[in-house]
Amino acid sequence: SSELTQDPAVSVALGQTVRITCQGDSLRSYYASWYQQRPGQAPVLVFYGENSRPSGIPDRFSGSSSGNTASLTITGAQAEDEADYYCNSRDTGGDLSVLFGGGTKLTVL
Amino acid sequence: QVLLQESSPGLVKPSETLSLTCTVSGASIGRSSFYWGWIRQPPGQGLEWIGSMHYTESAYYNPSLRGRVTISVDTAKNQFSLNLRSVTAADMALYFCARFRFTSSPLIDSWGQGSLVSVSS
Repeated sequence: SSELTQDPAVSVALGQTVRITCQGDSLRSYYASWYQQRPGQAPVLVFYGENSRPSGIPDRFSGSSSGNTASLTITGAQAEDEADYYCNSRDTGGDLSVLFGGGTKLTVL
Repeated sequence: QVLLQESSPGLVKPSETLSLTCTVSGASIGRSSFYWGWIRQPPGQGLEWIGSMHYTESAYYNPSLRGRVTISVDTAKNQFSLNLRSVTAADMALYFCARFRFTSSPLIDSWGQGSLVSVSS
């Protein structure tokens, strides 16, 4: 089966732009979905598909994809964006297997 | 608004079976195209997909757990369940029930609050 790889930690200055990446062979075939998890809470979907953001998610969250890499970009990071971020996608096997990246801890300085 | 609520088994003994139930409100399991399933998160670690199923299909499971896990759906009660057999300390985690959509990318658009499961004799 495939894997999804994320950097363990990323930091960004308040108000600046940060990109969180996710790499894996399955991303050549399927888009990634992205989740934000604050401490003690369930994850929340923040971006998915080619260009979709759930209702209520600020438009500073955007996504992109190229080759085997998917990216979540936060433009103008806010203090409340400090959280763990996970990507997920589908394995390239024949069944509906789901993959998660290891997560990236975002620190807003 | 769909809400998912896990039951709370709390403590399970090693080698026994972990059983969790998720009660769904605001959506009907038996009348939708969504999949329903489970994700877990060991303390201080990342998310791990356990499995998913649609009420008309067989379940799909994480290969690392296949053979120990069963997910089932009760459309009459609007619930779905997880059974994980022969648990060890490695199965200690926060268990989330969730609603899945499989489109161009699999996504989870609704999560339960999580049920913490400990494994100890």
